[in-house]
Amino acid sequence: DAGVTQSPTHLIKTRGQQVTLRCSPKSGHDTVSWYQQALGQGPQFIFQYYEEEERQRGNFPDRFSGHQFPNYSSELNVNALLLGDSALYLCASSDLRRAGGEKLFFGSGTQLSVL
Amino acid sequence: QQQVKQSPQSLIVQKGGISIINCAYENTAFDYFPWYQQFPGKGPALLIAIRPDVSEKKEGRFTISFNKSAKQFSLHIMDSQPGDSATYFCAASLSGSARQLTFGSGTQLTVLP
Repeated sequence: DAGVTQSPTHLIKTRGQQVTLRCSPKSGHDTVSWYQQALGQGPQFIFQYYEEEERQRGNFPDRFSGHQFPNYSSELNVNALLLGDSALYLCASSDLRRAGGEKLFFGSGTQLSVL
Repeated sequence: QQQVKQSPQSLIVQKGGISIINCAYENTAFDYFPWYQQFPGKGPALLIAIRPDVSEKKEGRFTISFNKSAKQFSLHIMDSQPGDSATYFCAASLSGSARQLTFGSGTQLTVLP
């Protein structure tokens, strides 16, 4: 049973560029959440996708956008990259319909460096 | 009101000792309190979680103590092992919030052999 998979594992971009990160949820999960983890900090909620729609959003600007596909996989897009966007981006999946569905399973993340 | 405050920032414990990490929250509507363990280069992994209707939950060497009136909860790691050396995060979420987790700032635990 594959867990949450993310790609790529590492990425280097320059300021102003755009980036797309990808996530495949754990088998059987239909909900995908994205978190940003700055160095030495706890993860911060970006947004959550369910049924191909953004259901909840944290305090992040519109430069951060996402998408969920019919197979439940998801993409995170960040436009006009800033130096401060350098962080580990984590994808987490869950199945909110089930009892115990509040348990989040995280992938290993994509380390984004903006130069 | 959405913050979760975690302490200490770092903790060094001898092998076999007890590691204790504390968290405090403000929002009384939080109803789910998980602890996550994170190793370098990996994503957080769920360790143990509790709901506010119980005061303690134990799974193996890991115990959560929950004090609803004080709005505090803590993680106790009994018989700490060098393999427990990692960063630990407490978190909290609201029902009906799509289970958005609010994380503490983390505690870096080092267990000396």
